[in-house]
Amino acid sequence: GAVVSQHPSWVICKSGTSVKIECRSLDFQATTMFWYRQFPKQSLMLMATSNEGSKATYEQGVEKDKFLINHASLTLSTLTVTSAHPEDSSFYICSVVSGDARYEQYFGPGTRLTVT
Amino acid sequence: AQKITQTQPGMFVQEKEAVTLDCTYDTSDQSYGLFWYKQPSSGEMIFLIYQGSYDEQNATEGRYSLNFQKARKSANLVISASQLGDSAMYFCAMRGGYSSASKIIFGSGTRLSIRP
Repeated sequence: GAVVSQHPSWVICKSGTSVKIECRSLDFQATTMFWYRQFPKQSLMLMATSNEGSKATYEQGVEKDKFLINHASLTLSTLTVTSAHPEDSSFYICSVVSGDARYEQYFGPGTRLTVT
Repeated sequence: AQKITQTQPGMFVQEKEAVTLDCTYDTSDQSYGLFWYKQPSSGEMIFLIYQGSYDEQNATEGRYSLNFQKARKSANLVISASQLGDSAMYFCAMRGGYSSASKIIFGSGTRLSIRP
């Protein structure tokens, strides 16, 4: 399967600051990446679909001005949490879509964000 | 609208026994894919098994098999000969349609605990 990395693996920031999370597809080019958020003991909730060279598609209820997504290349998508608040503390996971018929998603290791 | 339902929030199983994790789904798509993922405490999402909606045979991957009952819209995961390392959260997921932009939605998960 594909190898996906995320950076940083964990981050602590102060309320009101912005945090950028990177998602990289290391061994193939991904036109589509997805960003998920997972609160403790809950399931993964899709936040947005990141499309290379175009604007991201956000799920209902996700503030696009707060969660900025940039898919600048076929191997890199970034999620920036702007003006972070404690309620934004969560586990953020990205995935890339395989090129085979399954359109399987390969997940990154996740980034744990804590906003103090 | 698509929906995945996992009705078992937690399960305890004796080591070496087989275990079935339940999953039902709802979709109006004719073509769809079903996945099971394992999430250990480290947070990474590990792909276990895939079943396409047109696959006539139940999928198997080593100790994992998927009991696909299309008419009942169920896709239960069977783990044979459970091991201590199987203790984790398990998520059933569904992708509607067949394209790289097709979203995957997740069920609420089942926490499986294997007793020695």
